Amino acid sequence: KAGVTQTPRYLIKTRGQQVTLSCSPISGHRSVSWYQQTPGQGLQFLFEYFSETQRNKGNFPGRFSGRQFSNSRSEMNVSTLELGDSALYLCASSNLGGKNTEAFFGQGTRLTVV
Amino acid sequence: SQQGEEDPQALSIQEGENATMNCSYKTSINNLQWYRQNSGRGLVHLILIRSNEREKHSGRLRVTLDTSKKSSSLLITASRAADTASYFCATDLENYGNNRLAFGKGNQVVVIP
Repeated sequence: KAGVTQTPRYLIKTRGQQVTLSCSPISGHRSVSWYQQTPGQGLQFLFEYFSETQRNKGNFPGRFSGRQFSNSRSEMNVSTLELGDSALYLCASSNLGGKNTEAFFGQGTRLTVV
Repeated sequence: SQQGEEDPQALSIQEGENATMNCSYKTSINNLQWYRQNSGRGLVHLILIRSNEREKHSGRLRVTLDTSKKSSSLLITASRAADTASYFCATDLENYGNNRLAFGKGNQVVVIP
């Protein structure tokens, strides 16, 4: 079974631009969550999608948005990029997304904003 | 706010020794999961322990959970050079389930061959 696939692996963008990251969950998994990892703040929850609906949202500005498609693939978008958005963005998928189900992570997309 | 918080440790041990790291959290949880991360890459799921479990084993890993103290420990026995990584604990908030994990800062473990 293929794992969680994130594309692209690396990205360099300029301040003010926007970026879209993609995540393909494990086949059959319907829940996809996104996290931002920075040296200063560590791993922080962005949002979670289940069956094309956003169920949970973390404390990030509206510049961060996402969506999920009918095949469970998810995208996150960051508009008006700031230097502080430079981070490793990780997505995780889980089966039903209920209690006591394991969350499996992709390799991440490393975004650098210059 | 972060729920899972490891004791800020950077462990450096010899191959073959055991490595222990701890994690504390603040509110009620459904479960606690441990992950490994190599050099800023993706997170590898190691083990999940439910709130009604006290101890769990997986290969060379032993995890304990003390809900009265809101703490967990991860023990890696007979460490290998390949165990060199950062280790994170993550808790799910009771009202949100496994879709909103709160991570600790991570423990960096270096295993010297």
